[in-house]
Amino acid sequence: ELKVEQNPLFLSMQEGKNYTIYCNYSTTSDRLYWYRQDPGKSLESLFVLLSNGAVKQEGRLMASLDTKARLSTLHITAAVHDLSATYFCAVDDETSYDKVIFGPGTSLSVIP
Amino acid sequence: NAGVTQTPKFRVLKTGQSMTLLCAQDMNHEYMYWYRQDPGMGLRLIHYSVGEGTTAKGEVPDGYNVSRLKKQNFLLGLESAAPSQTSVYFCASSYGGNTEAFFGQGTRLTVV
Repeated sequence: ELKVEQNPLFLSMQEGKNYTIYCNYSTTSDRLYWYRQDPGKSLESLFVLLSNGAVKQEGRLMASLDTKARLSTLHITAAVHDLSATYFCAVDDETSYDKVIFGPGTSLSVIP
Repeated sequence: NAGVTQTPKFRVLKTGQSMTLLCAQDMNHEYMYWYRQDPGMGLRLIHYSVGEGTTAKGEVPDGYNVSRLKKQNFLLGLESAAPSQTSVYFCASSYGGNTEAFFGQGTRLTVV
């Protein structure tokens, strides 16, 4: 059964700093997604990673996927307050009829 | 541009009552999902569908039923609500197993 883990679960960082969020998963998959959720809101898609070595960047966020290590990273460069949100990774369980399983989320707070 | 619409947005049920949550999408997506979100637990997949007339169990299907009679609609039913089903429910849809999902605005359900 696919398990998806994230760390850290909570992250408080200063504006201008860099940091990385990690997403590990337990079974073979080369389909991984990152989503953002603002408090009290719905989820919006950030990145879709579909192959080993895939790298996507949007603004201060960069996501990568290593399918051999079953690991994805979300790197934050020079954080700003607007990036404060909860970030989820989700993995497509290709062995189980395309279930998409979410990690527990990383709650990011960027402090001035 | 409606996207994914959930009805209702809020509901309070008494233990033992039944209800149906409706999810409608206007993007001609094949895949649809129902998740529940509880504090500290991320999103957990309840049931999902990979096409009209098909449904499959997710991580936490007990106590819920679903139907996908029309491609654009995915219904989630609670036959006999329990306090443990107090949660925020999100519906999502996608073109297929390797594409991002679009989420509805959520339904906040309280069972007393």
